[in-house]
Amino acid sequence: AQKITQTQPGMFVQEKEAVTLDCTYDTSDPSYGLFWYKQPSSGEMIFLIYQGSYDQQNATEGRYSLNFQKARKSANLVISASQLGDSAMYFCAMGPGNQFYFGTGTSLTVIP
Amino acid sequence: NAGVMQNPRHLVRRRGQEARLRCSPMKGHSHVYWYRQLPEEGLKFMVYLQKENIIDESGMPKERFSAEFPKEGPSILRIQQVVRGDSAAYFCASSPRTGPNTGELFFGEGSRLTVL
Repeated sequence: AQKITQTQPGMFVQEKEAVTLDCTYDTSDPSYGLFWYKQPSSGEMIFLIYQGSYDQQNATEGRYSLNFQKARKSANLVISASQLGDSAMYFCAMGPGNQFYFGTGTSLTVIP
Repeated sequence: NAGVMQNPRHLVRRRGQEARLRCSPMKGHSHVYWYRQLPEEGLKFMVYLQKENIIDESGMPKERFSAEFPKEGPSILRIQQVVRGDSAAYFCASSPRTGPNTGELFFGEGSRLTVL
């Protein structure tokens, strides 16, 4: 069975600093996708970044990068140069096939 | 290009009433997912549908909950005889395709159900 684990319920980061949000996964499927979503206090789910299991390079999208370590089954999100608007819940997700599995989320607070 | 549209955004029901939540996927998307998010928790998969077919409903409670995605019109998540534990945010997401290495899910803004 597939499983997504986020072990950090809450994180704090100083504005303009970088922060890493952890995500580990478990699957027996050889082909899968890993996603990160942001959920601000307004509640909507915002797609941030995607990594395919066969992608050779780590995904990057602006200030977001995904540190993909396949052997360790980890897909950590790195946010560089944190901004106050980055304060939100962040969810890691995995999507092989029918279901997209979500972790329990990490609440990030950016401190001015 | 409209995104995933969910309505109502907020719904209040008394115990025992029915709740109907609607979801119109993005144009060109034929795959719809419903998720439930309880307060302070992550998203729990409920059901995955394609047009006129339920593909995976393993996350749906066995009773009172049903979902459909007709050939014409939005996808509907129906909760009969609601109880207070049904109070949650219900998110719909759509995708243009399925299978490994797909693109992201596009989420609606959610429907927040409150059961009094």
